[in-house]
Amino acid sequence: GESVGLHLPTLSVQEGDNSIINCAYSNSASDYFIWYKQESGKGPQFIIDIRSNMDKRQGQRVTVLLNKTVKHLSLQIAATQPGDSAVYFCAEIRGGADGLTFGKGTHLIIQP
Amino acid sequence: EPEVTQTPSHQVTQMGQEVILRCVPISNHLYFYWYRQILGQKVEFLVSFYNNEISEKSEIFDDQFSVERPDGSNFTLKIRSTKLEDSAMYFCASSQEVNTEAFFGQGTRLTVV
Repeated sequence: GESVGLHLPTLSVQEGDNSIINCAYSNSASDYFIWYKQESGKGPQFIIDIRSNMDKRQGQRVTVLLNKTVKHLSLQIAATQPGDSAVYFCAEIRGGADGLTFGKGTHLIIQP
Repeated sequence: EPEVTQTPSHQVTQMGQEVILRCVPISNHLYFYWYRQILGQKVEFLVSFYNNEISEKSEIFDDQFSVERPDGSNFTLKIRSTKLEDSAMYFCASSQEVNTEAFFGQGTRLTVV
């Protein structure tokens, strides 16, 4: 069935390096995408969002890229810090729906 | 910064018992949601609520589940007869509008024994 999924379950990067977390989606009717960060024992925390009429959006140290042609979403984190260690989920809202459909999550590990 | 609050943080219940999970959404938000996350798995949508009625529900949200907004601030999820497989983290979320960022609470860990 159609779903949002992630390419890598775990990503390990050196502190200070840039991180790129990838996400594939299969529903071309999805028009809104969000990246969430989840630390252990906590709820998902909003990072950044993007709508389907855009291909790039920047926040503080984060950039989301959307490639609708290949149905691919990525989250770039610049100069990763120890506090960036968490599980990152992409989520989509399929056209006309209310609820978010989450991907499986990528665990980002920051090496000192 | 306004936040979504959930109580209790952890609930242990016996199989077959009823539980009520409570949430206080952000005060100026109009859309409310419940999600669940089974340990080690992804977050799954259960239900959305707007204008005092269910707006959308997933196939997980069967007849044993119900939601209510009993007053102007609380939003509850009731599970009528809990099963072992209901054990999960339950997250409440709220948003100002549909298709905008949803803010999540810290979750209630439900353990059914």
